[in-house]
Amino acid sequence: EADIYQTPRYLVIGTGKKITLECSQTMGHDKMYWYQQDPGMELHLIHYSYGVNSTEKGDLSSESTVSRIRTEHFPLTLESARPSHTSQYLCASSGRDRGRYSGANVLTFGAGSRLTVL
Amino acid sequence: QQQVKQSPQSLIVQKGGISIINCAYENTAFDYFPWYQQFPGKGPALLIAIRPDVSEKKEGRFTISFNKSAKQFSLHIMDSQPGDSATYFCAAGIIGNTGKLIFGQGTTLQVKP
Repeated sequence: EADIYQTPRYLVIGTGKKITLECSQTMGHDKMYWYQQDPGMELHLIHYSYGVNSTEKGDLSSESTVSRIRTEHFPLTLESARPSHTSQYLCASSGRDRGRYSGANVLTFGAGSRLTVL
Repeated sequence: QQQVKQSPQSLIVQKGGISIINCAYENTAFDYFPWYQQFPGKGPALLIAIRPDVSEKKEGRFTISFNKSAKQFSLHIMDSQPGDSATYFCAAGIIGNTGKLIFGQGTTLQVKP
């Protein structure tokens, strides 16, 4: 079944640690995204990618970095985590809808990675 | 220009009632307006969407009403059920563009039995 997977689901780490949040999708989508979801629920785009070797920063400035070496894989890395990085990180991918929303980029989200930095 | 404003922040409705969530946008270039539903511990999932060439889109108990001149759109949930209790996000984007969506602030809906 085509899906999008995020690991770990929950991570508690100390300040200064390096962390990588993994995201993989099996739908063959070219476009992938990372959204940060605040405790108050709002979603902010922090990174996106059009395809392999393509990455762009989103609307919300983030100290994290991303890479896109393979179509299906879009990991997010924090070199030195701080308490201000505590949040939920949602990965998504999109492909052109061929059904009821013809032509639209329909985003499919993973379940999220909840990061707590102590 | 890129902002999407959503209200209310939270909503409590009795079972069988109508839930209404409103959104307003500023960028007239937006031509795709989806609503996402998120349950605790899950990522958001597409619920229903509308293009600006129609004023209403209905799928089962869920209806989007769209007012292009006012730059507003709303989600109506008819016969609300406890299983509808979730967080709802409106969003806006441009078809054929990067696929990026700008999300509203979210509305937490609680449907009481």
